[in-house]
Amino acid sequence: AQRVTQPEKLLSVFKGAPVELKCNYSYSGSPELFWYVQYSRQRLQLLLRHISRESIKGFTADLNKGETSFHLKKPFAQEEDSAMYYCALEGTSGSRLTFGEGTQLTVNP
Amino acid sequence: GAVVSQHPSWVICKSGTSVKIECRSLDFQATTMFWYRQFPKQSLMLMATSNEGSKATYEQGVEKDKFLINHASLTLSTLTVTSAHPEDSSFYICSARDWTSGGAGELFFGEGSRLTVL
Repeated sequence: AQRVTQPEKLLSVFKGAPVELKCNYSYSGSPELFWYVQYSRQRLQLLLRHISRESIKGFTADLNKGETSFHLKKPFAQEEDSAMYYCALEGTSGSRLTFGEGTQLTVNP
Repeated sequence: GAVVSQHPSWVICKSGTSVKIECRSLDFQATTMFWYRQFPKQSLMLMATSNEGSKATYEQGVEKDKFLINHASLTLSTLTVTSAHPEDSSFYICSARDWTSGGAGELFFGEGSRLTVL
């Protein structure tokens, strides 16, 4: 079974502060991990995937297989980063995607 | 990127009636589409995988006779909520993978359809 846990439902930081959204997963094989973002009144969209090793909008996420984590980080948060963030896991390429509960990030001015 | 469109965006219906929600991939073909349900302030729960030209695969606990899925073409999947009841009120979201035109298999989401059953 595959499971994704985001321990923080709400996270609030000030503009310019570092931010880390936590994500832990449970999966017996080699997972593919993603972060999706949903801005207010917009559809869900892909932020980044671990295999790409990209930095999108200043966000990065490193897959730590030892700790089974895929935390999302940004050194300096911006107000426009305020959104709902979902961590997701895919077991076999192209198979079903399992989402975490989501973390609502608020960046205050 | 690729676009997935849902229709209607919101619908209100009376208890006992059936409601159809459409999911279209606008600029790519999708042999597989996914239907999710999202309750307020909760995560997306996968309901079923819609397969073009064959039966949908339902997740455990999802009533296939209640939530009818039809994937008649490579660009259209429909979800019909039959004999809707107030507890079926929710936000329904579809997604599709773009494997065509050099796509990396990224999952694209529709804007969602909010169903309210009175």
